[in-house]
Amino acid sequence: NAGVTQTPKFQVLKTGQSMTLQCAQDMNHEYMSWYRQDPGMGLRLIHYSVGAGITDQGEVPNGYNVSRSTTEDFPLRLLSAAPSQTSVYFCASSYSSRRFAEAFFGQGTRLTVV
Amino acid sequence: KQEVTQIPAALSVPEGENLVLNCSFTDSAIYNLQWFRQDPGKGLTSLLLIQSSQREQTSGRLNASLDKSSGRSTLYIAASQPGDSATYLCAVRDYGGSQGNLIFGKGTKLSVKP
Repeated sequence: NAGVTQTPKFQVLKTGQSMTLQCAQDMNHEYMSWYRQDPGMGLRLIHYSVGAGITDQGEVPNGYNVSRSTTEDFPLRLLSAAPSQTSVYFCASSYSSRRFAEAFFGQGTRLTVV
Repeated sequence: KQEVTQIPAALSVPEGENLVLNCSFTDSAIYNLQWFRQDPGKGLTSLLLIQSSQREQTSGRLNASLDKSSGRSTLYIAASQPGDSATYLCAVRDYGGSQGNLIFGKGTKLSVKP
């Protein structure tokens, strides 16, 4: 019963490098999203997807790209890492974005950009 | 724009006490409200999900209430234990400007002393 799986758990990047944070869910959920969590700022939405082939921006999308080619996977790409992107990243999924939609979260990716 | 506030930001209680954590939100047009627990360095674990039409939900020693008209929810923890020490987050899923995305409070950090 895997739920939402994020990889890697930890990552250190140099400024300007690119990388992809992976997120996969095995619950056949239509809705997936990415948040970042920073001290004093709480959880903020980066991007979300309501189904395969459909993505949209959240509150803090700059510097990040997403795509959703399958129901199961929702990777988050950092195009050119900056120190301001040092954060803990969480992926979440739910069967919809409406009623009765309980959200499930992955264990997070702790990213440091130096 | 929906805003979620959790008071207090931190709470320390002796073991065995009953306690209440508070969550307030500014827009009552919500699908549901969800309470999460987050242990240090870990992901978010769903505790309770309350639909907009419900008044409360219970799971073991936890009871969450919802008063949508006043924009308030409380999480009641009975007979607290040191293992309850964690950060508790509430989030609302509204059908206003956030398009069904979860909006989080900044959490209440609970410490239960033996």
